[in-house]
Amino acid sequence: GEDVEQSLFLSVREGDSSVINCTYTDSSSTYLYWYKQEPGAGLQLLTYIFSNMDMKQDQRLTVLLNKKDKHLSLRIADTQTGDSAIYFCAETFDTGFQKLVFGTGTRLLVSP
Amino acid sequence: NAGVTQTPKFQVLKTGQSMTLQCAQDMNHEYMSWYRQDPGMGLRLIHYSVGAGITDQGEVPNGYNVSRSTTEDFPLRLLSAAPSQTSVYFCASSSGTAGDYTFGSGTRLTVV
Repeated sequence: GEDVEQSLFLSVREGDSSVINCTYTDSSSTYLYWYKQEPGAGLQLLTYIFSNMDMKQDQRLTVLLNKKDKHLSLRIADTQTGDSAIYFCAETFDTGFQKLVFGTGTRLLVSP
Repeated sequence: NAGVTQTPKFQVLKTGQSMTLQCAQDMNHEYMSWYRQDPGMGLRLIHYSVGAGITDQGEVPNGYNVSRSTTEDFPLRLLSAAPSQTSVYFCASSSGTAGDYTFGSGTRLTVV
């Protein structure tokens, strides 16, 4: 079955690195995504990784995928106060329509 | 480009009332979908459409109807609102290509 879990809260200081973790249960996922949601706003796609990749880097963002453990992480380098938001991981499956299955979201708080 | 436009942004309904949440996209995407976001539960799929005239149920379809008469529009109808439908509703469209998923800014619905 499809189940995606995240820790609810993470607090870091400005300039530190943040690591947000996600575990999923369905190994048939094709792509795994990270979305950012700022207060009162919609979802902004940050990055995504194909399920046969181990790592993807995009500027300050690094995504690591451990398929054996079904574990996905998002590392934000040099975290800024503007990074404070809720971060969702999500997975899709090769079923035609790319249904997104979301995690519960991790609220990141960056303090000065 | 407007992307995905949702109206209204806020709505308060009384129990038993009906209403339609509007969603329009101008990207000529085949796929459109409705999600609801509840605290601590991430986003869950309500209904989706793979093209004009074709709709299907998602994870939580009860109490909602959809139709897709044009490529651009995908309205969500609440037939008889219940307090359990208090939520934030997001419409999304996609081309089916990985990462090409656009969300609207959401409709915050309160049922009293």
